[in-house]
Amino acid sequence: AQSVTQLGSHVSVSEGALVLLRCNYSSSVPPYLFWYVQYPNQGLQLLLKYTSAATLVKGINGFEAEFKKSETSFHLTKPSAHMSDAAEYFCAVSESGVGSGNTPLVFGKGTRLSVIA
Amino acid sequence: DTAVSQTPKYLVTQMGNDKSIKCEQNLGHDTMYWYKQDSKKFLKIMFSYNNKELIINETVPNRFSPKSPDKAHLNLHINSLELGDSAVYFCASSQDILGGLGYTFGSGTRLTVV
Repeated sequence: AQSVTQLGSHVSVSEGALVLLRCNYSSSVPPYLFWYVQYPNQGLQLLLKYTSAATLVKGINGFEAEFKKSETSFHLTKPSAHMSDAAEYFCAVSESGVGSGNTPLVFGKGTRLSVIA
Repeated sequence: DTAVSQTPKYLVTQMGNDKSIKCEQNLGHDTMYWYKQDSKKFLKIMFSYNNKELIINETVPNRFSPKSPDKAHLNLHINSLELGDSAVYFCASSQDILGGLGYTFGSGTRLTVV
């Protein structure tokens, strides 16, 4: 079964600094990978997704992530943090795309990003 | 124009009561889901429906019963509520059962059992 590990439950960066949120996955088949963001008291919003096309994926709000099969990683980055980026970030994996049946998104435990002025 | 809407947004109720949460999507998606987010923000799948048909039923107490009258609606009924049911419940939908384009989530229903 697929699983996701997010390293670091809380990451704190200064405004303007690089954001790096780490995600490692486990999957028996080529996965679909996603990053979602959750602002306080809101639902989850899709930031970006990898579905076996380009390994470097660009998303909304200046975020991007790189799929590295050899490292089973899908880390999320943003060159320059903004105060509005403060939120909870979730990495998720699904095996649905490769005919293995309906396996829904499995989420990591989340990483809370704080941005310091 | 909300894509996935849940009602109510907040629900406070006493132990032992029965309550329902409604979910509707206007995206024309075939597949809908219920996720539970606990106090530590962990998200866990509860149910999945594809075109009104139950696909996934995770290890959830049978006090929880989903109902899908049509593919645009997936409601969640909970009997005999317990303190441990307190959580945020999210409804989501995807274009198809493969979910390759990602899921669209509702804004959640915060259930508090007292």
